[in-house]
Amino acid sequence: GNSVTQMEGPVTLSEEAFLTINCTYTATGYPSLFWYVQYPGEGLQLLLKATKADDKGSNKGFEATYRKETTSFHLEKGSVQVSDSAVYFCALSVTGNNRKLIWGLGTSLAVNP
Amino acid sequence: EAGVTQFPSHSVIEKGQTVTLRCDPISGHDNLYWYRRVMGKEIKFLLHFVKESKQDESGMPNNRFLAERTGGTYSTLKVQPAELEDSGVYFCASSLDLSYEQYFGPGTRLTVT
Repeated sequence: GNSVTQMEGPVTLSEEAFLTINCTYTATGYPSLFWYVQYPGEGLQLLLKATKADDKGSNKGFEATYRKETTSFHLEKGSVQVSDSAVYFCALSVTGNNRKLIWGLGTSLAVNP
Repeated sequence: EAGVTQFPSHSVIEKGQTVTLRCDPISGHDNLYWYRRVMGKEIKFLLHFVKESKQDESGMPNNRFLAERTGGTYSTLKVQPAELEDSGVYFCASSLDLSYEQYFGPGTRLTVT
């Protein structure tokens, strides 16, 4: 079946630190991969996505590369800010499956000044 | 353009009572999804509408849950009778078509006591 395994949090970093949140997946077919973010008091927002192997998604300084050989889609940012404090969710969808999203557990990130 | 809205934002009910959650998708979005996040677990897909038709309701937990989307606009999710394990955050998302991004509402936090 399809599933997403995501690094558990919470993660606490100081401002300007390097961030990695690990995400691996299992999927039948060729999934699209996503990172969603939920800021405090807000809904889920798409942060970035990649639709095929070796694609790199990027947004707001965050990056993730679709690695088919390691079935991974790790989220990285070179220098986090206090405003990046949020919960980050890795997810996948498979073509022909209504595009429903299969989710990881979510990783809470707190960035201290 | 208004985003996806959900009502209420928070509902507290007693076991055995009935609750109806509402989702208003972005205007013109034919696809509407319901998801649920139970505390400590991953977000789970509940069901998917295309216009007024249910395309996939494989994630609905049991027959105490009833979703409708009359007229293909807003959707309601009724839980009757509510049980303690129904507590969680219910998210609604909409998309223009299957190849497009899903836009999420802020969620409804349901607490069953």
